[in-house]
Amino acid sequence: GQNIDQPTEMTATEGAIVQINCTYQTSGFNGLFWYQQHAGEAPTFLSYNVLDGLEEKGRFSSFLSRSKGYSYLLLKELQMKDSASYLCAVNPGLGGYSTLTFGKGTMLLVSP
Amino acid sequence: NAGVTQTPKFQVLKTGQSMTLQCAQDMNHEYMSWYRQDPGMGLRLIHYSVGAGITDQGEVPNGYNVSRSTTEDFPLRLLSAAPSQTSVYFCASSNPRLAGVTDTQYFGPGTRLTVL
Repeated sequence: GQNIDQPTEMTATEGAIVQINCTYQTSGFNGLFWYQQHAGEAPTFLSYNVLDGLEEKGRFSSFLSRSKGYSYLLLKELQMKDSASYLCAVNPGLGGYSTLTFGKGTMLLVSP
Repeated sequence: NAGVTQTPKFQVLKTGQSMTLQCAQDMNHEYMSWYRQDPGMGLRLIHYSVGAGITDQGEVPNGYNVSRSTTEDFPLRLLSAAPSQTSVYFCASSNPRLAGVTDTQYFGPGTRLTVL
């Protein structure tokens, strides 16, 4: 089976840095995604890791350790608009198809 | 490009009614998927398709049918709606660069379904 764990909620202050962790146990691994989802909207792609290490994209960075089954999303210089749910998703690579297994999401609240 | 579009945005059904949720994409993506999202449960895969004429079941397929007659369209049919199918439904599409390598999934805006 597939299991993806991430914290349910986090709070942070505008301008600060926050790290959202994700641990996974899946039958295979073909990449890990982070998506952002604002309330009432569709998920939108943030980052993708398939090899160990850090991927940086502006204020957002994502890290992967395949041996530990662990990833984190780092958000710098937080803005109010970063208040959203952050979804960790793994492609277990079963059959090579592009299906994703999602965690339950981490609701981030950024306060002034 | 419109990307991934879904209709309707909102729908209320009575138990036992049937309906079709529409999904279309204009990016010529091979892969399309249907997810449902429930509070505290995250996104769960219902059915997916890797190309026209090819579909397969995901994690929660019971009570739903799909077909893929064209690359662009991937409708989801509820055969006999039940209150347990009250949810937000998202359609997504992607186009793998290489066989077995995942590409980014693009999500439609969702359909909010209530079954009374």
